[in-house]
Amino acid sequence: QVQLVQSGAEVKKPGASVKVSCKASGYTFINYHMYWVRQAPGQGLEWMGIINTREGYTTYAQKFLGRVTMTRDTSTSTVYMEVSSPRPDDTAVYYCARDINNRFDPWGQGTQVTVSS
Amino acid sequence: NFVLTQPHSVSESPGKTATISCTRSSGSIASNYVQWYQQRPGSAPTTVIYEDHHRPSGVPDRFSGSVDSSSNSASLTISGLKTEDEADYYCQSYDSFTHEVVFGGGTKLTVL
Repeated sequence: QVQLVQSGAEVKKPGASVKVSCKASGYTFINYHMYWVRQAPGQGLEWMGIINTREGYTTYAQKFLGRVTMTRDTSTSTVYMEVSSPRPDDTAVYYCARDINNRFDPWGQGTQVTVSS
Repeated sequence: NFVLTQPHSVSESPGKTATISCTRSSGSIASNYVQWYQQRPGSAPTTVIYEDHHRPSGVPDRFSGSVDSSSNSASLTISGLKTEDEADYYCQSYDSFTHEVVFGGGTKLTVL
């Protein structure tokens, strides 16, 4: 079955970059783009961007331009999302989700990222 | 950019029908499909409605979606409410001009 498995929780000090992985299985990886979404504690869902898994092209939400980098490794069917110089307000659960015609299905299980000094 | 506005909370009794609205601030609601996601505490979201009114396999037919151009809004209706339907629900669409995804702020559904 289609499955997205994300890396484990991270605790980082402000300024130390954090990288989250999302490994896909059960389908042809390069045939679907991948989204990243985050959810701060007690808050709603926030779209971060999307990566074209075949070509590697990315589109980022305006808010994250210059701070977030999305990459992929087609040999392992894995996408990565890195936040550079994270701040305490980047503390959130980060999700990957497969793109099917601008909808999200399925979602990864989520990765808790905590940024604290 | 447009904004999708949802009520903060909706409360209804078991067996009754609950409706959650999602109003688009500018541009036509019919311009881009609307999806609805259910998120239970501590879990990732799952799709309950896609492309305005389609249900993924495994989602009960108690869940239905619609779009109303006159109010420029989409709605998620859950009939025959069960306690297991208690969750946060998010609408989502796409901005064709900015190429960005837009989420509504979410609605907490309480079934009591």
